[in-house]
Amino acid sequence: GQSLEQPSEVTAVEGAIVQINCTYQTSGFYGLSWYQQHDGGAPTFLSYNGLDGLEETGRFSSFLSRSDSYGYLLLQELQMKDSASYFCAPPRSWGKFQFGAGTQVVVTP
Amino acid sequence: GAVVSQHPSWVICKSGTSVKIECRSLDFQATTMFWYRQFPKQSLMLMATSNEGSKATYEQGVEKDKFLINHASLTLSTLTVTSAHPEDSSFYICSAREEREAGEQYFGPGTRLTVT
Repeated sequence: GQSLEQPSEVTAVEGAIVQINCTYQTSGFYGLSWYQQHDGGAPTFLSYNGLDGLEETGRFSSFLSRSDSYGYLLLQELQMKDSASYFCAPPRSWGKFQFGAGTQVVVTP
Repeated sequence: GAVVSQHPSWVICKSGTSVKIECRSLDFQATTMFWYRQFPKQSLMLMATSNEGSKATYEQGVEKDKFLINHASLTLSTLTVTSAHPEDSSFYICSAREEREAGEQYFGPGTRLTVT
């Protein structure tokens, strides 16, 4: 079967660093994507790890370890606008994506 | 980046009627598009894969006769919710992937359907 696990909610103050972990069990693993979704909006792409290691894009970084079936998204210098849901999503075959349950990040002043 | 549009952005309909939602890739061709459904405070659930020029592939548990998908061109896929019921009220989101991008999908803005 296929499963994805990520924390349901994380609360942090502005300026802090948040790490959202994602563990997975999935067949035909092609990598791990991360998406952000604000309330009422569509998901937007943040990053993709096709290989092990760290990918950095501005304040956001993502890491993948295939041997551990584990990845994380790191949000640095948190801003109020970062309050949103974050989904880990491994691409499945033929471009399909499976989305985790999502992590609600709440940023407080 | 690539842009995907959806129309309408929201719709209210009565039970028993059908609703059509359009998904367009505006600046790229998409041989494959995907339709998702999302209930409040829940994750996106893949409903079906829409293939240009051929039949859609539905995920397990999704009624293909209720959710009709047509991928008439390389830039347009439509989802028709037939004989809608209140339990079909949800946020429907389409996405498309450029073939050269392995890990990225471009999502439409979503359509909020309310069935009364």
